[in-house]
Amino acid sequence: GAVVSQHPSWVICKSGTSVKIECRSLDFQATTMFWYRQFPKQSLMLMATSNEGSKATYEQGVEKDKFLINHASLTLSTLTVTSAHPEDSSFYICSASSRISGNTEAFFGQGTRLTVV
Amino acid sequence: GQQLNQSPQSMFIQEGEDVSMNCTSSSIFNTWLWYKQDPGEGPVLLIALYKAGELTSNGRLTAQFGITRKDSFLNISASIPSDVGIYFCAGRYGNKLVFGAGTILRVKS
Repeated sequence: GAVVSQHPSWVICKSGTSVKIECRSLDFQATTMFWYRQFPKQSLMLMATSNEGSKATYEQGVEKDKFLINHASLTLSTLTVTSAHPEDSSFYICSASSRISGNTEAFFGQGTRLTVV
Repeated sequence: GQQLNQSPQSMFIQEGEDVSMNCTSSSIFNTWLWYKQDPGEGPVLLIALYKAGELTSNGRLTAQFGITRKDSFLNISASIPSDVGIYFCAGRYGNKLVFGAGTILRVKS
């Protein structure tokens, strides 16, 4: 159980276009999902907290108009990178929390490699 | 903000050797988590720790939650080639996680 699926696993887009990344919790419901960004050989940096049915909460320095987050259901959150530029190229990872044996754990998707050309 | 100091940054060990890595922080966390990340993949949860002093094992992996709640270590016994990857510690505050910088583990057979 507690499987998080991300789609697509990789995407190449032209500069100026928008890209949507999906994050699904396959076997549990998640009222909260998280979006991270990871540069090569670096750690995961939290971008925003996605809340089902309400606005996302963005970390300091993350442009909310640049990275649009929608959490329309308990099993799906989407991240849209708008007007993408080469500096947006990165590895984007989502996570969702699930309660296991009374404790809340964070499970991660497989990540999406975005390359903007 | 919350910060975790993870060490060592990288390790290159012989197959069969034991491995130890740790994380420290100036902040208190209620939960410590250890993840492994393979190239091009998302992190996979290895061990979760919930109580100060807790010692938990998962196969060849053992992790402990420091008594002060400001540190944790992960040990891997009798390393094998598939242990190669990046290991991250993470501390939970509220409903968020903060990650260490990672330990790159390489195993030579």
